[in-house]
Amino acid sequence: AQTVTQSQPEMSVQEAETVTLSCTYDTSESDYYLFWYKQPPSRQMILVIRQEAYKQQNATENRFSVNFQKAAKSFSLKISDSQLGDAAMYFCAYRIQGAQKLVFGQGTRLTINP
Amino acid sequence: GAVVSQHPSRVICKSGTSVKIECRSLDFQATTMFWYRQFPKKSLMLMATSNEGSKATYEQGVEKDKFLINHASLTLSTLTVTSAHPEDSSFYICSAGRTGRLTNEKLFFGSGTQLSVL
Repeated sequence: AQTVTQSQPEMSVQEAETVTLSCTYDTSESDYYLFWYKQPPSRQMILVIRQEAYKQQNATENRFSVNFQKAAKSFSLKISDSQLGDAAMYFCAYRIQGAQKLVFGQGTRLTINP
Repeated sequence: GAVVSQHPSRVICKSGTSVKIECRSLDFQATTMFWYRQFPKKSLMLMATSNEGSKATYEQGVEKDKFLINHASLTLSTLTVTSAHPEDSSFYICSAGRTGRLTNEKLFFGSGTQLSVL
């Protein structure tokens, strides 16, 4: 069974600085997708960034980028120039190719200090 | 962008009553929808996969008779919590993806329903 592990229950960072959230996963599949979702206090799930496992290049979306290490099964999220609006729960998620079911990690609560 | 509407956003009910939660895809068809449960400060746990026109697929440990799922159309799935008890109190979220598209399409989430059983 696929599992996703986020070992940091909570993280904090000063506004404008950079923070990295960790995620590891376990799978025997070769084709899959990895995601980072943000859940602000409204609890609406928001897709932050997506990575296809077959792509070696790390995905980036403005201030958000990932460090995807397929052999190590690691998928960390880097947030640059942190903003107050980035404060939220962040979930790492996994989905195999050909399916829509997502498996979520435990989540990391990110606090931004002004 | 595609929108998934979930209703109600909050419901309070008495123990023993049943509660129905709706999940609608507003501008696309969804053969498959997913129902998640989230406890406070915890992750989303998949409860079941809702399949249009057929029975839902439940995850291990989820009571089929407690959580009834109906997916009668390509734009609507409902989750009914039957004979609700205080331990059923939780945040329920649905998600859906477009029908007929490649499965690397992203999923869209509803805004969730907070159920409180007194």
